[in-house]
Amino acid sequence: GENVEQHPSTLSVQEGDSAVIKCTYSDSASNYFPWYKQELGKRPQLIIDIRSNVGEKKDQRIAVTLNKTAKHFSLHITETQPEDSAVYFCAASIGSTLGRLYFGRGTQLTVWP
Amino acid sequence: DTGVSQNPRHKITKRGQNVTFRCDPISEHNRLYWYRQTLGQGPEFLTYFQNEAQLEKSRLLSDRFSAERPKGSFSTLEIQRTEQGDSAMYLCASTLNNEQFFGPGTRLTVL
Repeated sequence: GENVEQHPSTLSVQEGDSAVIKCTYSDSASNYFPWYKQELGKRPQLIIDIRSNVGEKKDQRIAVTLNKTAKHFSLHITETQPEDSAVYFCAASIGSTLGRLYFGRGTQLTVWP
Repeated sequence: DTGVSQNPRHKITKRGQNVTFRCDPISEHNRLYWYRQTLGQGPEFLTYFQNEAQLEKSRLLSDRFSAERPKGSFSTLEIQRTEQGDSAMYLCASTLNNEQFFGPGTRLTVL
């Protein structure tokens, strides 16, 4: 099955700086890559996603890039704010497995004011 | 509230007891997933339904686990003879296409 690796496991940045989280995947058949934000004690919430026919997608301060050849994708958060502090999960989905998500282990992002 | 809901939110049980969780997906979503999340880990896939049909089960889902979605709407996940290793957050998600919307989860503690 698919294996998703995520780095770093923890990331601390100063408010206003950028944060980058990287993920790799193993199965070239993966074609959908969502990112979830999970605050302490709350449900994972989708913040951005990208499909394999697109190299980059941006939504205000959040962007995701995908390199299919290298099998890696990254989350970029610019102008970070303290409310961005949370655990971020990357995931991958293979079309043939009916949409089940394979998650990375998560990155604890802390934004210091 | 039109989001995914789960009940109960917390469950404390003694080892060996049976527990059942319920998930109510977003009404028009035909696909429903169960995941399990332990501390410091990402959610791990357990099982998946399309309408009332259970189409896939993870190897994580031992014989003590059973899930149903009898009318293609809400789903239940039952764990029989609970073990301490079953302690985790059990998450339900639903979707119409790829984007999965998660419920708040049921936190199970097995004493």
